[in-house]
Amino acid sequence: QKEVEQNSGPLSVPEGAIASLNCTYSDRGSQSFFWYRQYSGKSPELIMSIYSNGDKEDGRFTAQLNKASQYVSLLIRDSQPSDSATYLCAGGPSLRAGGTSYGKLTFGQGTILTVHP
Amino acid sequence: KAGVTQTPRYLIKTRGQQVTLSCSPISGHRSVSWYQQTPGQGLQFLFEYFSETQRNKGNFPGRFSGRQFSNSRSEMNVSTLELGDSALYLCASSLDRATLYTFGSGTRLTVV
Repeated sequence: QKEVEQNSGPLSVPEGAIASLNCTYSDRGSQSFFWYRQYSGKSPELIMSIYSNGDKEDGRFTAQLNKASQYVSLLIRDSQPSDSATYLCAGGPSLRAGGTSYGKLTFGQGTILTVHP
Repeated sequence: KAGVTQTPRYLIKTRGQQVTLSCSPISGHRSVSWYQQTPGQGLQFLFEYFSETQRNKGNFPGRFSGRQFSNSRSEMNVSTLELGDSALYLCASSLDRATLYTFGSGTRLTVV
């Protein structure tokens, strides 16, 4: 079983719709979670981080974390064609100093999102 | 402010050779991590360096090694290259081991 699993996709949504990306993780020691966007041929770019249960909003992006269900999601509102990319979910350690897994992120396989005009 | 710089951008090597990749982190960043990205395995953690010491290592064979210099620049080395080592190698830096990474553009390694 992969430590971080994402809904396999690919996901296709019309322009202006809400895109919903989901991720589950198996390591209960994971305390920090991240969503990265990766355009084809480019490197990953951090778009959201979340550490506490609940929702975190940043512009058109909302990250949701439920540690009891070991579930992380990313909602993209008013999707634009420029949002078309691969979205990577990653889990990391607690940001408290001294964690043995510090400095390591475990990534899911990614979900390809296409927003069509 | 300059980003994370990786050199070279592209590299073609022959099986059995060795290769050294370089990463210059963002100025002031002290933690450097390396990842391998392939279509089949996705992004996999190689190792992390902080203050010139390897702090964490992923599940890769000993052919993969790295180091960090006093100016935080890092290199990774792969010896006895295999076809399966063909991948995009990404370096990421962060200020102080917190995992708010900024990734470099990567080095695309092709082993023939």
